[in-house]
Amino acid sequence: GNSVTQMEGPVTLSEEAFLTINCTYTATGYPSLFWYVQYPGEGLQLLLKATKADDKGSNKGFEATYRKETTSFHLEKGSVQVSDSAVYFCALNYGGSQGNLIFGKGTKLSVKP
Amino acid sequence: DTGVSQDPRHKITKRGQNVTFRCDPISEHNRLYWYRQTLGQGPEFLTYFQNEAQLEKSRLLSNRFSAERPKGSFSTLEIQRTEQGDSAMYLCASSVTQGREKAFFGQGTRLTVV
Repeated sequence: GNSVTQMEGPVTLSEEAFLTINCTYTATGYPSLFWYVQYPGEGLQLLLKATKADDKGSNKGFEATYRKETTSFHLEKGSVQVSDSAVYFCALNYGGSQGNLIFGKGTKLSVKP
Repeated sequence: DTGVSQDPRHKITKRGQNVTFRCDPISEHNRLYWYRQTLGQGPEFLTYFQNEAQLEKSRLLSNRFSAERPKGSFSTLEIQRTEQGDSAMYLCASSVTQGREKAFFGQGTRLTVV
């Protein structure tokens, strides 16, 4: 079946540190891959996505590359800010609709000044 | 347009009571999804509608749960005879039909069953 595994948190970094949050997936077929972010007190927001192998999604300084050979979609940012503190969810899409999602458990990121 | 709206934001109920949540999607979004998120977990898919038709239901959706979208606009999720295990955040999302359009999530309804 389809599943998503992401590194457990919490992750605590100092401002301007490099961030990596690992995500691997198991899927039949060729899903689209997503990173969603949930800021405190807010709803889930799409951060970035990639729809096919070798695609790179990017937004707000975050990047992730769809790696079919390693079934991975790791999230990276070169220099985190305090405002990046949030919970990050990796997800894959199955079926034809981008709302049919399977999520990982989430990784809480705390960035200290 | 202010995005996906869910009501109420918080609900505390006694075990055994029925509860109903409402979701208003972004206008012109014809797909609507319900998810459940328990503490420390990612959201889990419950069901989705295209217009008024309920096209898919997860096995998580026991017979105590029912969702409707009678006019293809807002949707309701009802839980009958609530149990403590139903305590969770219930999320609604909406999207358009085209596959490459993204889903927008509401802020959720947090249910606590005491």
